[in-house]
Amino acid sequence: NAGVTQTPKFQVLKTGQSMTLQCAQDMNHNSMYWYRQDPGMGLRLIYYSASEGTTDKGEVPNGYNVSRLNKREFSLRLESAAPSQTSVYFCASSVQTTGILFFGPGTRLTVL
Amino acid sequence: EDKVVQSPLSLVVHEGDTVTLNCSYEVTNFRSLLWYKQEKKAPTFLFMLTSSGIEKKSGRLSSILDKKELFSILNITATQTGDSAIYLCAVSISNFGNEKLTFGTGTRLTIIP
Repeated sequence: NAGVTQTPKFQVLKTGQSMTLQCAQDMNHNSMYWYRQDPGMGLRLIYYSASEGTTDKGEVPNGYNVSRLNKREFSLRLESAAPSQTSVYFCASSVQTTGILFFGPGTRLTVL
Repeated sequence: EDKVVQSPLSLVVHEGDTVTLNCSYEVTNFRSLLWYKQEKKAPTFLFMLTSSGIEKKSGRLSSILDKKELFSILNITATQTGDSAIYLCAVSISNFGNEKLTFGTGTRLTIIP
């Protein structure tokens, strides 16, 4: 039982490049989330998926897209990376009716 | 706008001391308040509080919620170096049938041996 897994762990991009962050969970959770964590800003919600087939914007969605591929997988895409997207990205999942999130190990992304 | 504020931002104490971390909130459609501990990587869940005045306890950690005054505290007694971490407070908000978490910026706790 791996919980929430994310790939890659680290990534360096040049401005304008694109990439997809992958996330998968094996806990049969309905809801999945993408957060970014920046110093002094706490965790901020980018996008979430309350259930398979639905996605909604969070607090800071600009510059990102998401895909809920199936119940297990939720990917985050940066179409044209910008230095302001340098951050640590966490994927999380939860049983829909509670607020207890289970987090993946994070992806540290640097955009030059 | 929903807001979660934690204090202090950072705290340095000696091993064996007792610490109290604070979390206040201003949100609509409050459902619950959660505490997480973040060491080097992902946050891990500590407590979820939904009712005022009922203390949740796990070993040396305890937490309580005051829904009238809109705050929670996290206490750690007899601190150990392994308690060094960022402690995150989050409030779960009901939003059109879904729940979303709004996080505070965290309190960085450092325990000196």
